[in-house]
Amino acid sequence: NSKVIQTPRYLVKGQGQKAKMRCIPEKGHPVVFWYQQNKNNEFKFLINFQNQEVLQQIDMTEKRFSAECPSNSPCSLEIQSSEAGDSALYLCASSPTGDSDYTFGSGTRLLVI
Amino acid sequence: GDSVTQTEGQVTVSESKSLIINCTYSATSIGYPNLFWYVRYPGEGLQLLLKVITAGQKGSSRGFEATYNKEATSFHLQKASVQESDSAVYYCALSESNMGYKLTFGTGTSLLVDP
Repeated sequence: NSKVIQTPRYLVKGQGQKAKMRCIPEKGHPVVFWYQQNKNNEFKFLINFQNQEVLQQIDMTEKRFSAECPSNSPCSLEIQSSEAGDSALYLCASSPTGDSDYTFGSGTRLLVI
Repeated sequence: GDSVTQTEGQVTVSESKSLIINCTYSATSIGYPNLFWYVRYPGEGLQLLLKVITAGQKGSSRGFEATYNKEATSFHLQKASVQESDSAVYYCALSESNMGYKLTFGTGTSLLVDP
């Protein structure tokens, strides 16, 4: 069983709707990454945090996604206006330091219809 | 940018036979990237199988081995004798310090072990 908890497991949204998913990183892991895995099994890095601070994010994330990792609350990733192309598996991973082994969650599978 | 290419699609191997899943990489930095094999068993999340951060070294776990070959830019995964429980999707990946240790993944190889 993963020590990184992602909810919900499945998420179905209509185009234009907001889609929000959450991640509780492994205890003691201040570094959190979000990845998107599409239907072709391609992974795309979205954003990463150290504690509450954004370290890096891609352009898409900056424009249409919002993400945060508040202290004492789950991290979250929200798509402001879902598009069909956002249908994918969203993976959260945490690490004690950026260069250490990641622990991945089981993912949130988003379907935008 | 960085890229990882691995054996595509599904590989079917009979139980107790040997396995090799090819992986080659391209890294942007002049240093050496960290190399990983991740595995996703049916119904489970992605988990680290093995990693090697030093060129020329070999990593091993659960009977699997992979050697970091910087000349060939390869990190092939091998197992001498597979078991049905090894059926899973295997992903080769790399990370670099100058890229914030983001993982760059291959597209995965689905291994089916015939009993």
